[in-house]
Amino acid sequence: AQSVSQHNHHVILSEAASLELGCNYSYGGTVNLFWYVQYPGQHLQLLLKYFSGDPLVKGIKGFEAEFIKSKFSFNLRKPSVQWSDTAEYFCAVTGTTDSWGKLQFGAGTQVVVTP
Amino acid sequence: KAGVTQTPRYLIKTRGQQVTLSCSPISGHRSVSWYQQTPGQGLQFLFEYFSETQRNKGNFPGRFSGRQFSNSRSEMNVSTLELGDSALYLCASSLPLLGANVLTFGAGSRLTVL
Repeated sequence: AQSVSQHNHHVILSEAASLELGCNYSYGGTVNLFWYVQYPGQHLQLLLKYFSGDPLVKGIKGFEAEFIKSKFSFNLRKPSVQWSDTAEYFCAVTGTTDSWGKLQFGAGTQVVVTP
Repeated sequence: KAGVTQTPRYLIKTRGQQVTLSCSPISGHRSVSWYQQTPGQGLQFLFEYFSETQRNKGNFPGRFSGRQFSNSRSEMNVSTLELGDSALYLCASSLPLLGANVLTFGAGSRLTVL
């Protein structure tokens, strides 16, 4: 069965600290991978995506993620966080031949950045 | 361009009632998916529509149904509401693009069942 595991449920860090959120998936086949972010009171927004090619992908707001196929991982990173990065972060996966709109989401990681 | 529009944004129902939620996709998007978001279960896929046809369905009881119209707008219906149906219902639209599809989400409809 498909599954997505996010390593941390809650992360608290100070401004300027580095952030790394872990994501591992279980899926039998070629995958597309995503990180979405949900800021307080706002809707889910796409941070970045991986379809193919360079396993290091860059997204909006200085975020990047690395796809490591051998580890079934797609970890999200940001070198220096800001207070405005306080949000919930979701990793998601779908098969490349799957139904287009069916994403399997992880449980989410609540990130709190303190001034 | 306008994003994904969901109505109503908030609603309160009582057990046993039914509810209909509406979703207008981004102009030109032909695929619409629905998700349920709860604190306990997270984001769970409900169903997906393309060209007025349901292409995939998640593990939800038959009380949850949906449809898509010729203009790609979609509705979902929940009948015989239960307390556990209280959730944020999210709609997402996409072109779609096989192998490289990206979902754009709406703000959601927050349903409270009393």
